[in-house]
Amino acid sequence: AQSVTQPDIHITVSEGASLELRCNYSYGATPYLFWYVQSPGQGLQLLLKYFSGDTLVQGIKGFEAEFKRSQSSFNLRKPSVHWSDAAEYFCAVGARGAQKLVFGQGTRLTINP
Amino acid sequence: GAGVSQTPSNKVTEKGKYVELRCDPISGHTALYWYRQSLGQGPEFLIYFQGTGAADDSGLPNDRFFAVRPEGSVSTLKIQRTERGDSAVYLCASSLTSGGLSTDTQYFGPGTRLTVL
Repeated sequence: AQSVTQPDIHITVSEGASLELRCNYSYGATPYLFWYVQSPGQGLQLLLKYFSGDTLVQGIKGFEAEFKRSQSSFNLRKPSVHWSDAAEYFCAVGARGAQKLVFGQGTRLTINP
Repeated sequence: GAGVSQTPSNKVTEKGKYVELRCDPISGHTALYWYRQSLGQGPEFLIYFQGTGAADDSGLPNDRFFAVRPEGSVSTLKIQRTERGDSAVYLCASSLTSGGLSTDTQYFGPGTRLTVL
């Protein structure tokens, strides 16, 4: 069965600083990988997804993520964060041939002005 | 509306009562999912519908939980004999699925916050 670990429960960065959120997955084959963002009172919004091909994936709002098979990781990055990026971020993995997603426990991002 | 909608947004009930949570998917989306998100956790899969039928209900925790989607659009999640441990945010998602693959983007609703007293 697949699983996802997000090692950082809470991260604080200053506005304008760079950001990296960590995600490690466990799955026996090549996974489908996703990053979602959840703002208070809002539904989960998809930032980006990886299925195959180029291991560096570009998403919305200036986010990108890199799939590293050797490290079983799919870390999310942004070169310069904005106050509006404060939210909860979830990494998720999907298995080929199955519909359900397995989510990590999330990383809460706080932005200092 | 353009997105997935869920009603009610909040539901408070007493232990032992029956509750129904409703999900309206994006028009034309054939796949519908229910997830449960406990405080401080990521969403956990409950059940997936393709059309009217439940294609995967492996995430339902026990037989107190049941979901239907009789006309292939709106879905209702039903919880019998609620327990305090059922308190969580129940999320619904839909996707435009033709191939039955998890590559299809799941669009989430805002959720229903269920509190069992």
